[in-house]
Amino acid sequence: GAVVSQHPSRVICKSGTSVKIECRSLDFQATTMFWYRQFPKQSLMLMATSNEGSKATYEQGVEKDKFLINHASLTLSTLTVTSAHPEDSSFYICSSRGLAGGTDTQYFGPGTRLTVL
Amino acid sequence: QKEVEQNSGPLSVPEGAIASLNCTYSDRGSQSFFWYRQYSGKSPELIMSIYSNGDKEDGRFTAQLNKASQYVSLLIRDSQPSDSATYLCAVSSNAGNMLTFGGGTRLMVKP
Repeated sequence: GAVVSQHPSRVICKSGTSVKIECRSLDFQATTMFWYRQFPKQSLMLMATSNEGSKATYEQGVEKDKFLINHASLTLSTLTVTSAHPEDSSFYICSSRGLAGGTDTQYFGPGTRLTVL
Repeated sequence: QKEVEQNSGPLSVPEGAIASLNCTYSDRGSQSFFWYRQYSGKSPELIMSIYSNGDKEDGRFTAQLNKASQYVSLLIRDSQPSDSATYLCAVSSNAGNMLTFGGGTRLMVKP
């Protein structure tokens, strides 16, 4: 399957700081990337859809000024959690839309666990 | 609102048995269906995709789709303890487009 990387894998920060998470598709060009958030024992919730060269589309209830998404190239999308607070602590996962083995689907990165103290 | 429903489990099966995981969806316009496996603390891993009615087999996994009943299932034959994980059903109106996930079913395979 396709390879998607995320960095960092784990981050602990103080309340009020900003955290940037990178998502890279390593072996294919991803015109569309997705950002999800998963709280403990819950399913994935889509936060936003990121298209290369255009503004991200945010899901209802997701603050676009708090969760800044940049998709500057076909292989890189970044999510910045601005002024993070403890309630932002979660598992953030990106996925890339791509063709692999003839199948157009989404491939997930390994996730970033954010803990805000 | 598009919904994907799964029994949260846990579903407990003995090693070597067949595990049957079920999923229903509300959007009749759905075209693409996926099963992901997620181990605790890890991100989802794609197991199977299915797009047309009927069965699709891949090794020990068989996905079944019935669009008339809006039902998709995953069978795991010869279940192994390493299959113990949460299985997520995901549905999309177009392949690769936005996915709607079910809540997941936790599977426990006991040695």
